[in-house]
Amino acid sequence: ILNVEQSPQSLHVQEGDSTNFTCSFPSSNFYALHWYRWETAKSPEALFVMTLNGDEKKKGRISATLNTKEGYSYLYIKGSQPEDSATYLCASDNYGQNFVFGPGTRLSVLP
Amino acid sequence: DVKVTQSSRYLVKRTGEKVFLECVQDMDHENMFWYRQDPGLGLRLIYFSYDVKMKEKGDIPEGYSVSREKKERFSLILESASTNQTSMYLCASNTAGTDNEKLFFGSGTQLSVL
Repeated sequence: ILNVEQSPQSLHVQEGDSTNFTCSFPSSNFYALHWYRWETAKSPEALFVMTLNGDEKKKGRISATLNTKEGYSYLYIKGSQPEDSATYLCASDNYGQNFVFGPGTRLSVLP
Repeated sequence: DVKVTQSSRYLVKRTGEKVFLECVQDMDHENMFWYRQDPGLGLRLIYFSYDVKMKEKGDIPEGYSVSREKKERFSLILESASTNQTSMYLCASNTAGTDNEKLFFGSGTQLSVL
């Protein structure tokens, strides 16, 4: 089973701060990297699906970058808001394997 | 919007009981998945299905079975529940091909086995 790691495990920021966290994944047989946001008592929702090395995707104040050669992705949140509080999951999709999820980064944005 | 519905949000069962967790999706997705989520661990795949009546073991299938008699419904069965199966269970679905491979999740079932 492949190993996907995320750091930090948890994060507390003040409203208005910008923040970022990391997902590390195996670069061999890479196909796609997914980011999901999971708010308490809700379903995890897809933020981004990224496939190309060097790709950058943006959705409002949230953006993500991808480095498939070294096996990492960054998720950035600009001007954090309390509604951004959630667990952010990444999942690696490698050929011949099922999705492998990281343990998540729990973000708390304090008003 | 894709909707993945899980039958129960919270469930309490006793050791040895047979437990059924139901999942229904309304977007004609071919693929359906059952995961469990435990503190400090990533979502772990129990079973998945690529088509009606097809099932494949995931990473942690022991103690579980599944049923997919209709395309929209994927059931997870705990034949004889044990305390170590206390967990959050998430169902997901997707369809093959590019960005559509993103997973759509249900809201989860928190199962407690006493």
